Amino acid sequence: QKEVEQDPGPLSVPEGAIVSLNCTYSNSAFQYFMWYRQYSRKGPELLMYTYSSGNKEDGRFTAQVDKSSKYISLFIRDSQPSDSATYLCAMSESGRALTFGSGTRLQVQP
Amino acid sequence: NAGVTQTPKFRILKIGQSMTLQCTQDMNHNYMYWYRQDPGMGLKLIYYSVGAGITDKGEVPNGYNVSRSTTEDFPLRLELAAPSQTSVYFCASSYFGTSGGGDTQYFGPGTRLTVL
Repeated sequence: QKEVEQDPGPLSVPEGAIVSLNCTYSNSAFQYFMWYRQYSRKGPELLMYTYSSGNKEDGRFTAQVDKSSKYISLFIRDSQPSDSATYLCAMSESGRALTFGSGTRLQVQP
Repeated sequence: NAGVTQTPKFRILKIGQSMTLQCTQDMNHNYMYWYRQDPGMGLKLIYYSVGAGITDKGEVPNGYNVSRSTTEDFPLRLELAAPSQTSVYFCASSYFGTSGGGDTQYFGPGTRLTVL
């Protein structure tokens, strides 16, 4: 079993849709949870960062962490074609060395 | 700030050849990392460094070596290239302070390496 599981997609949605991306994990010691966005042939860029359980909102993006279920989510409201990318979840015990999911490819259709 | 820069962008190696992937950051970050990303996979940590002169192995260190003589530079060395090392290599850096908390890792644009 992988330490972090993420549905690879691809996920195709129409412009304006609400997108839900998810990861599950097995290591209960993870405390730091991140979502990275990676455009094709580019390096990942940090989108959202959450410590421990709870919700965090930033514009159209909301990150949720449920440590009791070992489950994290990223919601994108009013999705735009420019949101088309691969979304990687990442997590860490210490906030340093990260364990990544395999990424979900998202395509937002105009 | 240029952020994290990596050279070269692309490279093709023959089996058994060696090469060094360069990584430089200008953000005065103390932590630096090397990851590899295989097609359809997430990133796997190869090596990391918590400061000049200090390095440690990550999840997949076999076949690689690193050194960190300055804060800015963290080169990754492949000594005897093998087809299994065909991948995209990303360097990242972050600042981790004494007050604790997590860090934000900033990634370079990557080096695409093919070993034939």
